[in-house]
Amino acid sequence: AQTVTQSQPEMSVQEAETVTLSCTYDTSENNYYLFWYKQPPSRQMILVIRQEAYKQQNATENRFSVNFQKAAKSFSLKISDSQLGDTAMYFCASRGGATNKLIFGTGTLLAVQP
Amino acid sequence: NAGVTQTPKFRILKIGQSMTLQCTQDMNHNYMYWYRQDPGMGLKLIYYSVGAGITDKGEVPNGYNVSRSTTEDFPLRLELAAPSQTSVYFCASSYPGLAGDNTGELFFGEGSRLTVL
Repeated sequence: AQTVTQSQPEMSVQEAETVTLSCTYDTSENNYYLFWYKQPPSRQMILVIRQEAYKQQNATENRFSVNFQKAAKSFSLKISDSQLGDTAMYFCASRGGATNKLIFGTGTLLAVQP
Repeated sequence: NAGVTQTPKFRILKIGQSMTLQCTQDMNHNYMYWYRQDPGMGLKLIYYSVGAGITDKGEVPNGYNVSRSTTEDFPLRLELAAPSQTSVYFCASSYPGLAGDNTGELFFGEGSRLTVL
């Protein structure tokens, strides 16, 4: 079974600073994807970044990057130059297996302070 | 670009009532999913479908039913609504598999807030 664990319920960062959100996962699949989704107060689920498990290179999308440690089953998200608009709930998720179910962690509420 | 459309966006039900949450997607995705999100929590998978005529249970299926008669539509039925079903419900869709051009991304609807009193 897949599980995703986010151990930081809430985090705060000053505008323009860098913050790292933690995520660990467990899966028996060899082929899987990992994701970070952002959920602002509007409730819309917005894909931030994805990582293919077979790729060793860490994914990067503008100010967002991941630190993917496959052996440790760790998948952290780094947000550089934090902006007020980054304030949201962030969910780590894992997808794999024949059914391709996307399993979510419990989320980290990030507050960017001016 | 409609994407994934859910209706209704808000609904209040009395205990014991039934209702159907509608979900339709126009991206020709094979896979569709229903999640629920309780306040301050992550999303829990209720049911999913890998194609028309095929459905399976997720993590929290009790009290719900689904059907998938077409590729586009994946309605979620609540029978005998209970206060524990008060939640925000998300429908999502994706391409199958994790190979080729498929990015593995799920595309989400805007959510339906359901309150059972």
